[in-house]
Amino acid sequence: GNSVTQMEGPVTLSEEAFLTINCTYTATGYPSLFWYVQYPGEGLQLLLKATKADDKGSNKGFEATYRKETTSFHLEKGSVQVSDSAVYFCALYSSNTGKLIFGQGTTLQVKP
Amino acid sequence: DTEVTQTPKHLVMGMTNKKSLKCEQHMGHRAMYWYKQKAKKPPELMFVYSYEKLSINESVPSRFSPECPNSSLLNLHLHALQPEDSALYLCASSRLRVNTEAFFGQGTRLTVV
Repeated sequence: GNSVTQMEGPVTLSEEAFLTINCTYTATGYPSLFWYVQYPGEGLQLLLKATKADDKGSNKGFEATYRKETTSFHLEKGSVQVSDSAVYFCALYSSNTGKLIFGQGTTLQVKP
Repeated sequence: DTEVTQTPKHLVMGMTNKKSLKCEQHMGHRAMYWYKQKAKKPPELMFVYSYEKLSINESVPSRFSPECPNSSLLNLHLHALQPEDSALYLCASSRLRVNTEAFFGQGTRLTVV
């Protein structure tokens, strides 16, 4: 079946450090891939998306590239801020199943 | 308007109570979803509605009863819940197209006592 695997957290970084959060997936067909962010006490916000191989999604300085050959969608940001502290979820939507499924989430803490 | 609005934000209910969670969107989306999220866990899909009809039920206990009265509204009726049902309940909506993202509400924090 379809699944998403994210790197274990928490990830603790200093402000202005480089961020990578790894995400790999297993799916049949051609899924769409997403990164969502959840701030404490809130719902999920879409951060970025990619709908086909080699697409790069980007938003607010975050980027992720849909790599079909490695079944990966790693999230990167060149310089993190304290305000980026949140839980980040990698997600996959498959039209075969009609379901949006999530990885386990990675907590990011950025210290001043 | 890209909002999904959920009410109430917080709910405390006893195990013999009946309550309802409400969700509303005005984006013209024809797919709506209920998810359950426990602390420090990812959201888990409960139900999917497509064109106001239930299309996916992820084997959810019958004490949770969804309802989609029209294309903008989604309800989740709760009855005889257990303390382990305490969680954040998230509503989401999306267009009924391949490769489209889901928009989430802020959630209802439910505590069953």
